[in-house]
Amino acid sequence: QLQLQESGPGLVKPSETLSLTCTVSGASISGSGYYWDWIRQPPGKGLEWIGTVFYSGTAYYNPSLKSRLSMSVDTSKNQFSLKVKSVTAADTAVYFCANRTPYGSGSHWFYWGQGILVTVSS
Amino acid sequence: DIQMTQSPSSLSASVGDRITITCRASQSISGYLNWYQQKPGKGPRLLIFGASSLQGGVPSRFIGSGSGTDFTLTISSLQPEDFATYYCQQSHNTPYTFGQGTKLEIK
Repeated sequence: QLQLQESGPGLVKPSETLSLTCTVSGASISGSGYYWDWIRQPPGKGLEWIGTVFYSGTAYYNPSLKSRLSMSVDTSKNQFSLKVKSVTAADTAVYFCANRTPYGSGSHWFYWGQGILVTVSS
Repeated sequence: DIQMTQSPSSLSASVGDRITITCRASQSISGYLNWYQQKPGKGPRLLIFGASSLQGGVPSRFIGSGSGTDFTLTISSLQPEDFATYYCQQSHNTPYTFGQGTKLEIK
């Protein structure tokens, strides 16, 4: 059973960098066919896909956030990470890490972390 | 980006009712449409993938259909645990996008 757990600071100051880590258990992050994603949800609002990182370190991002994003993998710790720089109040959200499973030419998220609320405030 | 539009945004219904939620994509996404259920304080739960395939462990009262741009999620007989928010999501193209959600409330 795959499990994911987000960790990181719950409060970040405006203009600083938000840094989160997702720890994966129950499977190797290096497993083939595994896509590791971040998704966020502002309080009371809908869901937004942030980006995907592969075990190789290759990442692709939502163009709306791309200029401020960085995602990476640490296979030795079975973790992947997200950094969002120059944050504003609009980045306040619950951040979820998730495992995306391909099917045909599509994919879906079955395994999710519990989510971590990150508030951007001085 | 592919825009996903759900209707209605909210819905009041009673236990035992049959309800339908609609999701429309701004361009064809073939059958690459997933449905999720989310309860307060929790991450989304995958219900349906590929427009109509029921995820393992999900009750058969959840029925997905559609292709191209128009999709529906039907719950054939509402149970108390079904009152939640439902999201559609396309996996045809990046950036992957979600509908705005449909909040299903008890009448």
